[in-house]
Amino acid sequence: QSALTQPPSVSGSLGQSVTISCTGTSSDVGLYKRVSWHQQPPGTAPKLLIYEVSNRPSGVPDRFSGSKSGNTASLTISGLQADDEADYYCSSYTSSSTYVFGTGTKVTVL
Amino acid sequence: EEQLVESGGGLIQPGGSLRLSCAVSGFTVRSNYLSWVRQAPGRGLQWVSIIYGGENTYYADSVKGRFTISRDNSKNTLYLQMNRLRVEDTAVYYCARVSLNGAFDWGQGTLVTVSS
Repeated sequence: QSALTQPPSVSGSLGQSVTISCTGTSSDVGLYKRVSWHQQPPGTAPKLLIYEVSNRPSGVPDRFSGSKSGNTASLTISGLQADDEADYYCSSYTSSSTYVFGTGTKVTVL
Repeated sequence: EEQLVESGGGLIQPGGSLRLSCAVSGFTVRSNYLSWVRQAPGRGLQWVSIIYGGENTYYADSVKGRFTISRDNSKNTLYLQMNRLRVEDTAVYYCARVSLNGAFDWGQGTLVTVSS
């Protein structure tokens, strides 16, 4: 049950785009579409951002988009805004009927 | 409106037991997949346990044999019984509804501190 691998931090200027990767294995990210992304601003509970690789819940701006290729999923934030500063986590269903989370990425807006 | 509200956290000595509750409204625990996820201070999210239909349950290796997930359909509540607690179990514990597509609906969390 090793965590999915994410970069510890990414940064970008206001209005720019950043992409966060989430690397798993052929037993989780590579095998299932049940890959989600979660946003966690400091001191708050996580919030669902993307589900099923690329779907957005209602209320989530289309600046947030998800994709997957092989064992790696990606989250792209376009038109970076100040309140996008948060920790971001991916998650995936696994072949063991469990779930696994990513190591987390801190997004800093310069 | 769908809501998940955790309770039962607190300070407990190593080796002790604690039961967390997650009161659900807006949907029924009976017909949904429900999970516990924790976050140690300053650390990332860690999946802990899930209960599927038919009482199928799964656990992270780090808690297997010590934690038990269950639900009370009459109270519409999810539980996490935690035994033989360790210092490294200190964390905010979140309950979440998990949809078939892997989406998580999160509660606000309850803090468990294991310390002597």
